[in-house]
Amino acid sequence: NAGVTQTPKFQVLKTGQSMTLQCAQDMNHEYMSWYRQDPGMGLRLIHYSVGAGITDQGEVPNGYNVSRSTTEDFPLRLLSAAPSQTSVYFCATRTGGSYGYTFGSGTRLTVV
Amino acid sequence: DQQVKQNSPSLSVQEGRISILNCDYTNSMFDYFLWYKKYPAEGPTFLISISSIKDKNEDGRFTVFLNKSAKHLSLHIVPSQPGDSAVYFCAAAPGSNYKLTFGKGTLLTVNP
Repeated sequence: NAGVTQTPKFQVLKTGQSMTLQCAQDMNHEYMSWYRQDPGMGLRLIHYSVGAGITDQGEVPNGYNVSRSTTEDFPLRLLSAAPSQTSVYFCATRTGGSYGYTFGSGTRLTVV
Repeated sequence: DQQVKQNSPSLSVQEGRISILNCDYTNSMFDYFLWYKKYPAEGPTFLISISSIKDKNEDGRFTVFLNKSAKHLSLHIVPSQPGDSAVYFCAAAPGSNYKLTFGKGTLLTVNP
């Protein structure tokens, strides 16, 4: 039982490049979310999903796309990376009826 | 506009003493509150939560108090241990929506 697995752990991108941050969970949780953490800013919600085929925007969705084709996976796509997207990204999941999200260990992304 | 505020960026206490971390919120729709703990290079881990129908919830050394009229909650850790040294995030959600809004965090240092 791996919980929430995020890959890669570290990534450096050049401005304008695209990439996908992967998030996989083996707990059969319906709800999955992506957060970014910036110094002095706490965690901010980017996108979330309440089940396969259903996604919605969070607080800071611009520049990111998501899709949810399976219960297990919730990838986050950066279409054209910008230095402002330099951050630590966390994927989080929870089961229905519980507010206690389980977080992955994060992906540290640097855009140069 | 910051809806969840943790006004103390850092707090230092001696081992064995009480640690009190504070959190204020402005959104009256919030009715569920959580505390997360985060070590460096790891994802946040769920610590304790409280619903707005209660004013206190206890779990071992950790107690959360909620004052709805003041829109204030606090986390008490007694006794504090060096292993409690971490960043603590306060989070809140409205009852019908599981999207969490986080504060900016408080770095707790427990000195031996």
